[in-house]
Amino acid sequence: AQKVTQAQTEISVVEKEDVTLDCVYETRDTTYYLFWYKQPPSGELVFLIRRNSFDEQNEISGRYSWNFQKSTSSFNFTITASQVVDSAVYFCALSERTDSWGKFQFGAGTQVVVTP
Amino acid sequence: DGGITQSPKYLFRKEGQNVTLSCEQNLNHDAMYWYRQDPGQGLRLIYYSQIVNDFQKGDIAEGYSVSREKKESFPLTVTSAQKNPTAFYLCASRIGLASNEQFFGPGTRLTVL
Repeated sequence: AQKVTQAQTEISVVEKEDVTLDCVYETRDTTYYLFWYKQPPSGELVFLIRRNSFDEQNEISGRYSWNFQKSTSSFNFTITASQVVDSAVYFCALSERTDSWGKFQFGAGTQVVVTP
Repeated sequence: DGGITQSPKYLFRKEGQNVTLSCEQNLNHDAMYWYRQDPGQGLRLIYYSQIVNDFQKGDIAEGYSVSREKKESFPLTVTSAQKNPTAFYLCASRIGLASNEQFFGPGTRLTVL
């Protein structure tokens, strides 16, 4: 069963628009970690943020912000005032304690296309 | 500089041949991983290793083999038994158990001719 769902396959915006990427996860663990990664056209995944299941404080880092809500099992990611360099595939991932922190469950990814 | 290196960047093989993809890390990370990515899809776990001389199958291990003889190296062999090996392969590593983000290499794009 898919544990991480990214329902949006592709989002296209014009530069300076905001973009929100949805991530819904499924777990029975009380202790887990959630992640967002960015994959630019070069292919290498770049780590953006990690959140543990006990920290629901939302965070803002520059143009990026994250909204973690355990009640809805969601960990959404927003890019404010998008730029062409934000064009990439964004992945949400889950790490559970029952896997002894060994395995990550990745979502299918959301392609973000930012046009000038 | 510390990081993960994968070689080669592009690899071509003839059908029926085995091929080994290299993954080396100098981050002193305990765990290493191999993922496969197909066009427009997410990452699927092939194998992972949390300590030297030990590794576990991921979700799509059939047709692949690995070894972990050294902490810094985790080579992946794509065997002729893998029915559809053309894909982008990503190697990752992670430090210990307390910190969980994975760091990724640049990937190897394998094409079977």
